[in-house]
Amino acid sequence: NAGVTQTPKFQVLKTGQSMTLQCAQDMNHNSMYWYRQDPGMGLRLIYYSASEGTTDKGEVPNGYNVSRLNKREFSLRLESAAPSQTSVYFCASSASPDRGLTTEAFFGQGTRLTVV
Amino acid sequence: AQSVTQPDIHITVSEGASLELRCNYSYGATPYLFWYVQSPGQGLQLLLKYFSGDTLVQGIKGFEAEFKRSQSSFNLRKPSVHWSDAAEYFCAEGNSGYSTLTFGKGTMLLVSP
Repeated sequence: NAGVTQTPKFQVLKTGQSMTLQCAQDMNHNSMYWYRQDPGMGLRLIYYSASEGTTDKGEVPNGYNVSRLNKREFSLRLESAAPSQTSVYFCASSASPDRGLTTEAFFGQGTRLTVV
Repeated sequence: AQSVTQPDIHITVSEGASLELRCNYSYGATPYLFWYVQSPGQGLQLLLKYFSGDTLVQGIKGFEAEFKRSQSSFNLRKPSVHWSDAAEYFCAEGNSGYSTLTFGKGTMLLVSP
């Protein structure tokens, strides 16, 4: 009963390095999301994909790119990491829109990224 | 734009005491409202949700929330807090036609002996 699986769980990057965070869900959900969580800021949406083949910017997209590889997988790429991207990253998925409703999101366990 | 306000950054409650965490949403039409809990180092777990119907909704772990349209509020309650309830709690809002949720900044619950 995996749900949403993110890899890696921890990562340390040097400024300017690139990396891709991987996310996969096994719930046949339409929508997938990438959030970042910073102290006192709550969760902020980076990008989302409402269906296979589509992606849209969220609140804080600068410095990131995404790929909806198929219905199961949604990856987040940092092309040139900066210290401001030090954060905890969460992938989530939901059945939204489901008959017009925004249904609940299911979250992965998070990736703790430090950029030095 | 939607916004969700959780006025309390931290709350400390004695074990066994009652709890109420506040949440105010901004969207005027029928909102879809959620409460999530996050234990340290973990992802977010759904506690309960409100779409329509009865304004008092029951969730997991003994939590409930009441939707009050007149106050644009969706407060989370528990009659008797356990030490294991210490965590961060997030209120979130979605609405018809959108696929995304908007989260509040969270309330950290501390439980004292």
